[in-house]
Amino acid sequence: QVQLVQSGAEVKKPGASVKVSCKASGYTFISYYMHWVRQAPGQGLEWMGIINPSGGSTSYAQKLQGRVTMTRDRSTSTVYMELSSLRSEDTAVYYCARGTEYSSSPFQYWGQGTLVTVSS
Amino acid sequence: DIQMTQSPSTLSASVGDRLTITCRASQNISSRLAWYQQKPGKAPKLLIYKASSLESGVPIRFSGSGSGTEFTLTISSLQPDDFATYYCQQYNSHTFGQGTKLEIK
Repeated sequence: QVQLVQSGAEVKKPGASVKVSCKASGYTFISYYMHWVRQAPGQGLEWMGIINPSGGSTSYAQKLQGRVTMTRDRSTSTVYMELSSLRSEDTAVYYCARGTEYSSSPFQYWGQGTLVTVSS
Repeated sequence: DIQMTQSPSTLSASVGDRLTITCRASQNISSRLAWYQQKPGKAPKLLIYKASSLESGVPIRFSGSGSGTEFTLTISSLQPDDFATYYCQQYNSHTFGQGTKLEIK
């Protein structure tokens, strides 16, 4: 069965960077796009970006351009999301979510979420 | 960017009620619309894709309709397990609506 297992909670200071991992299993890793979505406390869902695990190409939400980097490791079937220059507004639960073999597709599977807290 | 606007933001209803949530896109997205259900502390769950296709395992009391810029999610007979927050999403460029919280009346 498809599983997306994310790394644990993080506490970071403003200005620091955080790197969250998402390990995939139960399917052919390189065949499906992966997305990152975040949710600030009590708020809605915000799409952050997409990575093609096959070739590594990425596309990011304009709001986060320059601060977010998504990468993948094909040998471990893991995708990563790194967010830099953290500020308090980046405090949120971060989710990875699997799409389909097409970049424009709904998110059928989700990770359990990783809470990132930015606080001095 | 394509903006998604959901209404209402909050909805109070009772078990057995029939209800509808509306989602409007700022431009034509054809049928590239999904609906998700989210419960507190949990990841969202896909309910509907391609505007009206029911995800496997989702109860048939959930249905979706619409195309272009106007879409609806209907729950035909509310069950206790349905009280949650619902989000629409256009997956041309993946933006979400702001959510509709369904509360017990």
